[in-house]
Amino acid sequence: AQSVSQHNHHVILSEAASLELGCNYSYGGTVNLFWYVQYPGQHLQLLLKYFSGDPLVKGIKGFEAEFIKSKFSFNLRKPSVQWSDTAEYFCAVTPQNSGYALNFGKGTSLLVTP
Amino acid sequence: DTAVSQTPKYLVTQMGNDKSIKCEQNLGHDTMYWYKQDSKKFLKIMFSYNNKELIINETVPNRFSPKSPDKAHLNLHINSLELGDSAVYFCASSPAYGQGYFGPGTRLLVL
Repeated sequence: AQSVSQHNHHVILSEAASLELGCNYSYGGTVNLFWYVQYPGQHLQLLLKYFSGDPLVKGIKGFEAEFIKSKFSFNLRKPSVQWSDTAEYFCAVTPQNSGYALNFGKGTSLLVTP
Repeated sequence: DTAVSQTPKYLVTQMGNDKSIKCEQNLGHDTMYWYKQDSKKFLKIMFSYNNKELIINETVPNRFSPKSPDKAHLNLHINSLELGDSAVYFCASSPAYGQGYFGPGTRLLVL
C-alpha cells in the first residue's frame, strides 16, 4: 500500500540541539516531496519542497532536507533548534498521477525546551 | 491579503444538523482541496477540484458534499452531522506542482 511514514512521533530536545526527523515513503514512480510545519493552533506552512535537481534542499528558518532516492527517504534536519521550533512537523508526498493531493505522514510533535 | 481563507473559523453544532464551510483563494490556482485533521493531528485528503471539476473523492461519507461555484471557491457542506465529524477541516489550493497553500482551518465540534 502507498504510504508515508514518519518514525518519530514525539521528539523532545533542548535548545541548540540538532534535529533530524525521518520520513520514508512507499510510492513507485516520480514523486514530489514536502515538509510542512504546524505551530500550535495555526495552519500548515511549507518548510521546504523537493521536485527535482539537487537532493539537498534548503528551506525556511534554517531547515534542510535530503532526498535519498534509493532509500525512499526525505529526512528533515536543523543543526540547532530553538524554542520557537516547537510544533508539529508533517512530511508529505504527491505522486504525479494523484491529482497532486498531498499524502501526509502522521506527523512528529517536536517540543524544544529552554 | 489572505491567500486562502475559510469561514467560519470555529463551528459548534448539535448532532444531526447540516452545516457548510466556505473557502476562497485569491492565488489564481486551478486546484483546490479539502483535508480533514483528526484529533491525533493526522491529515487526510477528502476532495480535490481542478477548475471546478471533481478529480479526487476519497472514501468520505456521502453526507459530505463539496461544491465549487468557480475555481476560486470550494465549499464543503455536511449533512446530518455526527460526533465523529468533529475535526479541523483545512482548505488548500495549489498550482500545477502540488505545493499546497493552506487556509487557517475550521474547527468543527459536534455535540
